[in-house]
Amino acid sequence: NAGVTQTPKFRILKIGQSMTLQCTQDMNHNYMYWYRQDPGMGLKLIYYSVGAGITDKGEVPNGYNVSRSTTEDFPLRLELAAPSQTSVYFCASTSSRGGEFEPQHFGDGTRLSIL
Amino acid sequence: TQLLEQSPQFLSIQEGENLTVYCNSSSVFSSLQWYRQEPGEGPVLLVTVVTGGEVKKLKRLTFQFGDARKDSSLHITAAQPGDTGLYLCAGARGGSNYKLTFGKGTLLTVNP
Repeated sequence: NAGVTQTPKFRILKIGQSMTLQCTQDMNHNYMYWYRQDPGMGLKLIYYSVGAGITDKGEVPNGYNVSRSTTEDFPLRLELAAPSQTSVYFCASTSSRGGEFEPQHFGDGTRLSIL
Repeated sequence: TQLLEQSPQFLSIQEGENLTVYCNSSSVFSSLQWYRQEPGEGPVLLVTVVTGGEVKKLKRLTFQFGDARKDSSLHITAAQPGDTGLYLCAGARGGSNYKLTFGKGTLLTVNP
């Protein structure tokens, strides 16, 4: 089973460049999330979506944008890359249909460096 | 503000030892999840605790949710090198069980 797939796995960007981190899931989950993980800082929620066409800000949304045009895909956009956005980015998904305590399923992350 | 405090931040032990890691908060959570993350991978769920005072066992791992649902602990008996990883606790608050707050994690190294 593919689960949550993130691409690319690694990327180096120059300051001011833009890019889109891709995330797709094949579990028909309605909830999807983007987190960033900095060393020693745990996971911080950037944006999340409760279904296609619906997105909301998390704890650290500045400098990022998202869209959710389909159930499967939840891309994260960086418009003007800054060194502070150097991090490991994780996409996750879960379903509300199995009950309210379903686990989040994570991708393997995108390691992004801004130089 | 870090709502979930995990301790210790780092732990290095020898194979066969026992250990306990803690997840504490001043806030009440409706549920708490523990995840383990290995290098180069995303977190993977170990357990979800929901009821105050609940104890769950997963082989050599014992998870406890505090009576007031503000804290949790993870105890590992006879640790093995395969237990090495980052242990993360994540809490969900009432009315928002699909939005988790993560602690900073405990990085466990079990030496053979």
